[in-house]
Amino acid sequence: EIVLTQSPGTLSLSPGERATLSCRASQSVSSNSLAWYQQKPGQAPRLLIYGASSGATGIPDRFSGSGSGTDFTLTISRLEPEDFAVYYCQQYGSSPGLTFGGGTKVEIK
Amino acid sequence: EVQLVESGGGLVQPGGSLRLSCEASGFTFSSYWMSWVRQAPGKGLEWVANIKQDGSQKYYVDSVKGRFTISRDNAKNSLYLQMNSLRAEDTAVYYCARSAWYWGYWGQGTLVTVSS
Repeated sequence: EIVLTQSPGTLSLSPGERATLSCRASQSVSSNSLAWYQQKPGQAPRLLIYGASSGATGIPDRFSGSGSGTDFTLTISRLEPEDFAVYYCQQYGSSPGLTFGGGTKVEIK
Repeated sequence: EVQLVESGGGLVQPGGSLRLSCEASGFTFSSYWMSWVRQAPGKGLEWVANIKQDGSQKYYVDSVKGRFTISRDNAKNSLYLQMNSLRAEDTAVYYCARSAWYWGYWGQGTLVTVSS
């Protein structure tokens, strides 16, 4: 099973700032099969990025994904008020054993 | 518009059983793998199981193997999760999601609480 470790656990930033979230895998994620999700309280997760860097339908371009192998990054170029939420990475390269990271909470400073 | 609506959650005693349902609409259900993903209160996300379009392939996370069974009825556009021998650690919101490997469409979730 591939273990995903997200850091930091909490990121305190102000609107307009840049957010950089990290996701590190315990072994290489094949074919960059990594997705990112945003989740707000009481809501289902929302797909942001798949294939490590492809934006999902309707996702603003301030969200971008990068990385390969074992190190992946989600960047939010300029935080909007609605971006304060919890973010999860998920790998699907080692299917059927699909796994999520523990999450990063982006909170208002 | 894609819609996924879960039902069947509730309070059940340890060792008990529950069957979750997910009714799909707005897309050709029989053309997609489907999945269940859960989230314990205040915790992260965990993939539970997925099933191929025709039901011929099913996969499970290790912690539910032998206790949970995923199934589908394409004529009814419905996905199911039969949960037996429930444990306290199965307490979670259970989401139905479209596709096998990553998920662009989710239901609103149904809460399962395992407690005496």
